[in-house]
Amino acid sequence: DTAVSQTPKYLVTQMGNDKSIKCEQNLGHDTMYWYKQDSKKFLKIMFSYNNKELIINETVPNRFSPKSPDKAHLNLHINSLELGDSAVYFCASSQLAGANTGELFFGEGSRLTVL
Amino acid sequence: AQSVAQPEDQVNVAEGNPLTVKCTYSVSGNPYLFWYVQYPNRGLQFLLKYITGDNLVKGSYGFEAEFNKSQTSFHLKKPSALVSDSALYFCAVRDNTGFQKLVFGTGTRLLVSP
Repeated sequence: DTAVSQTPKYLVTQMGNDKSIKCEQNLGHDTMYWYKQDSKKFLKIMFSYNNKELIINETVPNRFSPKSPDKAHLNLHINSLELGDSAVYFCASSQLAGANTGELFFGEGSRLTVL
Repeated sequence: AQSVAQPEDQVNVAEGNPLTVKCTYSVSGNPYLFWYVQYPNRGLQFLLKYITGDNLVKGSYGFEAEFNKSQTSFHLKKPSALVSDSALYFCAVRDNTGFQKLVFGTGTRLLVSP
């Protein structure tokens, strides 16, 4: 069973389109994240939700809109895609408190290519 | 703001030799430090963490890290490298907002040659 699963794994689309990436975790964690990894492998947090509540919202264009229907799911919708949005997007989850604090479990990533 | 620095883009080591991947940190308050590994086309995997306690932290796959407060360092080590250890390694520090935001370093590629 995959702990953190993302779909799709690959996404190729044209500039100006709108696309979504979905994420689900079956670990029972209460916190989920979206990270962006650019072509130089630099990893930066975008958003985090705790029990469906947005708790981290970094400086991200408002074309990016996360949605958490429940604590096991966190989706990312991107409007009006631009070339610079090309990256690998990683979903992660963790438990906010407890012995395993700080241990993030990552999905396999969704590689977005904007043409 | 919390930050970590990984001064080496790449570390090359021969199989069987000891390896060190360097990380220095800058934090206000007590540091919560982590190492993660990323294999090609995969997500990051947790290796180990320092929260408090012993300065030598043991983690997965035979890796360990030494927390050095005076040098503000948290170097990743392994006594004997394997070819399969070749991957991208990230040091990270937890932001002190309490929301477990991890700030990652720029990553160090480890290449272990046979």
